[in-house]
Amino acid sequence: DVKVTQSSRYLVKRTGEKVFLECVQDMDHENMFWYRQDPGLGLRLIYFSYDVKMKEKGDIPEGYSVSREKKERFSLILESASTNQTSMYLCASRDRGSGNTIYFGEGSWLTVV
Amino acid sequence: GENVEQHPSTLSVQEGDSAVIKCTYSDSASNYFPWYKQELGKRPQLIIDIRSNVGEKKDQRIAVTLNKTAKHFSLHITETQPEDSAVYFCAASRGGYQKVTFGTGTKLQVIP
Repeated sequence: DVKVTQSSRYLVKRTGEKVFLECVQDMDHENMFWYRQDPGLGLRLIYFSYDVKMKEKGDIPEGYSVSREKKERFSLILESASTNQTSMYLCASRDRGSGNTIYFGEGSWLTVV
Repeated sequence: GENVEQHPSTLSVQEGDSAVIKCTYSDSASNYFPWYKQELGKRPQLIIDIRSNVGEKKDQRIAVTLNKTAKHFSLHITETQPEDSAVYFCAASRGGYQKVTFGTGTKLQVIP
């Protein structure tokens, strides 16, 4: 069974703090993604990675960075958290072949105060 | 880049009726179109998908149709049940190294 694990389910951080969201997958998938989910806006892609140390900007990368030092791990970094980054963050992974299923983690609820 | 539009944003149906959710995409090179269901408090999970070389696909009470010329695809749920109540997302992708773009979601409520 594919497992995408997000280390923190609920976080409360202060404005200006540096925030790390960690994601690990156990299926040797090449592609990993970070999405942000907000009511009425759906799932918006922040960054994705198609291989170790490779990253591509998604649709809303501003204020975020990512790190992929190992194939199984993809980290999302908020350099200086702001209140408008309060949201649900979903990590996902998939095999590189066309049409392969995207598997999501359980999500990380981040509140910035 | 790809843009996926999804309608309606909310949908209420009586139990036993059919529900239809529609999506349009902009990138003619997209070739893979999955649908995800997200129950309250849970992660999105794949329910059905279709590739660009197929016009229709069925799995029990759910079906997806694809019109490549018009660049739209639809999810059809027949004989709806209360457990079908959830948020549904469509998506489009070129696959491989490419990103996956999701629609804005449809909140389906099935009224018993």
